[in-house]
Amino acid sequence: GAGVSQSPRYKVAKRGQDVALRCDPISGHVSLFWYQQALGQGPEFLTYFQNEAQLDKSGLPSDRFFAERPEGSVSTLKIQRTQQEDSAVYLCASSLRETQYFGPGTRLLVL
Amino acid sequence: DQQVKQNSPSLSVQEGRISILNCDYTNSMFDYFLWYKKYPAEGPTFLISISSIKDKNEDGRFTVFLNKSAKHLSLHIVPSQPGDSAVYFCATRSTGTASKLTFGTGTRLQVTL
Repeated sequence: GAGVSQSPRYKVAKRGQDVALRCDPISGHVSLFWYQQALGQGPEFLTYFQNEAQLDKSGLPSDRFFAERPEGSVSTLKIQRTQQEDSAVYLCASSLRETQYFGPGTRLLVL
Repeated sequence: DQQVKQNSPSLSVQEGRISILNCDYTNSMFDYFLWYKKYPAEGPTFLISISSIKDKNEDGRFTVFLNKSAKHLSLHIVPSQPGDSAVYFCATRSTGTASKLTFGTGTRLQVTL
């Protein structure tokens, strides 16, 4: 397909476990964003890449969160030592200009 | 401090009528505004956008109005259809923040037969 894809779609983790969430952006999109959406809220910005450069990571809630995009295409969001408050939907978006196009999200549940 | 507010958590409209969704913002540096629609278990889908240099943008059944002096954005859907039932988010971008979007909390629209 031509859209943004994310995997896994659902992830259940035990508290303290590390998780890795993958995002495949639309081909040719230079910009890639990660957002976190808690239940009943709008998405909240986590971090932004332009090609392989991470230009803004001001939204990452703690140093347990780490994102990378080593070749300027696929991106991985890693959460170390997961906590219950990390339970949320993690959305990836990519863009060429102003409009961001979102993937379906990964729903993370930390028990 | 919520910079983007959607004060109506839900809205119910009859099929064929107009749906009006509202959004208020506080930051005068916001220069680009978007509406997204979200179905359950899917990511937000882009609907329509407007730059701060305009006050209206229209795309088919969807029209977005921007009132900069009031810091108010609205989305009009006419005529409303049952398939429009979803959660609608307004989102804004401010100058110089490298396209980071700030979202409202969403309004759930229910279009009834």
